[in-house]
Amino acid sequence: DTGVSQNPRHKITKRGQNVTFRCDPISEHNRLYWYRQTLGQGPEFLTYFQNEAQLEKSRLLSDRFSAERPKGSFSTLEIQRTEQGDSAMYLCASEQGYTEAFFGQGTRLTVV
Amino acid sequence: AQSVAQPEDQVNVAEGNPLTVKCTYSVSGNPYLFWYVQYPNRGLQFLLKYITGDNLVKGSYGFEAEFNKSQTSFHLKKPSALVSDSALYFCAVTPQSNYQLIWGAGTKLIIKP
Repeated sequence: DTGVSQNPRHKITKRGQNVTFRCDPISEHNRLYWYRQTLGQGPEFLTYFQNEAQLEKSRLLSDRFSAERPKGSFSTLEIQRTEQGDSAMYLCASEQGYTEAFFGQGTRLTVV
Repeated sequence: AQSVAQPEDQVNVAEGNPLTVKCTYSVSGNPYLFWYVQYPNRGLQFLLKYITGDNLVKGSYGFEAEFNKSQTSFHLKKPSALVSDSALYFCAVTPQSNYQLIWGAGTKLIIKP
C-alpha cells in the first residue's frame, strides 16, 4: 500500500502522559499536514511542513504540541501532558505541490 | 473570519434519485474548492476540486460539483444516487494565499433503497 500511513491507529492514555504519533506520507509528496477532528466536526488544521520545514502552526496548537519532520520524510506529532480535551482523531495528509491532499486513516486518541 | 458552511447535517435521498449536498463559503480572493468523502473507519477520500475554468467539475464515483462565484457556493451533485454513496461528505476551501484547507462540519448522506 503506497498511501499515507499513520501509527498507531488507536491510543488510550492516562491524563498527564505524553503520546507520540507517526505519519508516513506518500514518498514523493513534499507537503505534509496534521489535522485534528472531533466527532461531528470537520478537520481542524494544526500544522504543515514543506519538506522538513514547518511553515505554519495553528493557534489551536498549544505549547504542549510539537511536530517534526526530520529529513522531509515521515513526521511525528507529540502531545505532552495530555488532557481530556485532547481526545480526538488526529489526521495526517500529504500532497505534492498544491494538487489534492491524500489522508491517512488517522490515530484516534482517548485520554482517560 | 474565513469559513465554510454545510447547512444540512443530514440529507436523505431515495436510491436512483438525484442528490445535492450544499456548501457555501466565505473566503477572500479566488479560493480552491474541494469535496472529500469519509466512510466509516476509513480516511478522507478526495472526490473533486475546482481551481479555475468550467464551473461544472466532474469527479470520482459519478459526482460533480457546480461552482457559483456570485453565490459563493460549491454544491455537490449526482444524477442518480446509489446506496453505496451513503457516507459523510466534507466541503473544504483553501485560500490561495496559504493553501490551508478550511473545512465544513460535514453532511451525512443517507441513500435509502
